[in-house]
Amino acid sequence: DTEVTQTPKHLVMGMTNKKSLKCEQHMGHRAMYWYKQKAKKPPELMFVYSYEKLSINESVPSRFSPECPNSSLLNLHLHALQPEDSALYLCASSLAIGFSGYTFGSGTRLTVV
Amino acid sequence: AQTVTQSQPEMSVQEAETVTLSCTYDTSESNYYLFWYKQPPSRQMILVIRQEAYKQQNATENRFSVNFQKAAKSFSLKISDSQLGDTAMYFCAFSTAGSQGNLIFGKGTKLSVKP
Repeated sequence: DTEVTQTPKHLVMGMTNKKSLKCEQHMGHRAMYWYKQKAKKPPELMFVYSYEKLSINESVPSRFSPECPNSSLLNLHLHALQPEDSALYLCASSLAIGFSGYTFGSGTRLTVV
Repeated sequence: AQTVTQSQPEMSVQEAETVTLSCTYDTSESNYYLFWYKQPPSRQMILVIRQEAYKQQNATENRFSVNFQKAAKSFSLKISDSQLGDTAMYFCAFSTAGSQGNLIFGKGTKLSVKP
C-alpha cells in the first residue's frame, strides 16, 4: 500500500458544527503532516507529528485540533470554524521528518458556511 | 530561513514540445532535498521528481529531468514531449534533512499544454 487516504473528500459545515478530517497510511511512515491550501496558492504547513507526538504547530488557531491516535492515523478536529477556513486540507506522510519522500493524500475540500 | 521562488506564474507549451520551469531557492544548509510536485485539477499532489543536494548528477524520470545548479541555488524542471495530461500546477519544494525538515513550497507555475 503506497497511498495516503483522506476522508471525507468533501465537507460542508456550519460555523457552530464540530467535524473531523481523517488521514490514514500503511506505509510505515512515522511522520505525518497537515497542510492547508487556498485556491491558487501553495500548501501551508499546519502541524507535524513525529512518532505520534506533535512536533511542529505553525501557530494554528485552537479551533483546529490535531490528533495522532497511532502511527497510521492522523485526525484533524474542527470546531467553530470561520468562512475563511474554507480550503483544501492535505495530509502527507514521510518515513521520518526531513526524510526525502513525502506522499500526499488527495485532500478534503472544506467549505464553512 | 529557507525560501523557494518560482518566477513564472503561468506558462504554456504546444503538445510534443519541450518546456522548462524555473525555480530558485535560498538556504544556508548543506544537506537538503529538492522536489517538483504536480497538482492537476483533481488536486492530488503528485511527486514528479526529486534531487538530493549531495548528488551532482541531475535526476531524470522518463520525460522529466532537472537542471540542478547547487552553487547558483537553481533547480529547473524540463518536460520533454509535453502531453495534454501534463497540464497542472507545478510546485517546486525544498526540505532540509533532520528534525525541522518539513516541505517549503514555491508559489507554483500553472502549465497549460495546448493541442
